[in-house]
Amino acid sequence: DTAVSQTPKYLVTQMGNDKSIKCEQNLGHDTMYWYKQDSKKFLKIMFSYNNKELIINETVPNRFSPKSPDKAHLNLHINSLELGDSAVYFCASSIGRMSNQPQHFGDGTRLSIL
Amino acid sequence: GENVEQHPSTLSVQEGDSAVIKCTYSDSASNYFPWYKQELGKRPQLIIDIRSNVGEKKDQRIAVTLNKTAKHFSLHITETQPEDSAVYFCAVGWGKFQFGAGTQVVVTP
Repeated sequence: DTAVSQTPKYLVTQMGNDKSIKCEQNLGHDTMYWYKQDSKKFLKIMFSYNNKELIINETVPNRFSPKSPDKAHLNLHINSLELGDSAVYFCASSIGRMSNQPQHFGDGTRLSIL
Repeated sequence: GENVEQHPSTLSVQEGDSAVIKCTYSDSASNYFPWYKQELGKRPQLIIDIRSNVGEKKDQRIAVTLNKTAKHFSLHITETQPEDSAVYFCAVGWGKFQFGAGTQVVVTP
């Protein structure tokens, strides 16, 4: 009964391909996030959705397209993958859109571009 | 926007000693200050947090102190154990969540 679950755990693919990562939370939270963690461990926010509405889009290339079919799901589709996209992508959720609530992270998806 | 600085970037301590990590922030409107621990290959997990109306909070061997005037807050780990080895991130709740760059803590037996 994982609170925030994301699939797949590992993704190895070639440059130029298109891939998707899925995230689901069963905490009843309204807000979900995508973070990118690079090799230096820095956690950088990419997107945030509150109840299916996009509220944060941090100058991410438009090859990255998030989709939230309902407030429990936030998926990330990446087109034309590049070497620099190699990273660990974390999904997270919090009770509301206010930034004074803890965020709960999924286990991450390690994306490797060949 | 908010600027969060975290120091040191690496910290090596002997088992049983204390470890202190400090974060500074720039926006005085920030009101939420959590700390996350990330073990190798795992997800970041909340270990303790503090809000702006409190100066100190303790949970067993870990404590967080907040100085709102100076705009800094610190994580204190006492009686360190090898399982405390991890990367620790501070974060600041302001408009949006902003994480510090992380501190790699290594506890040597």
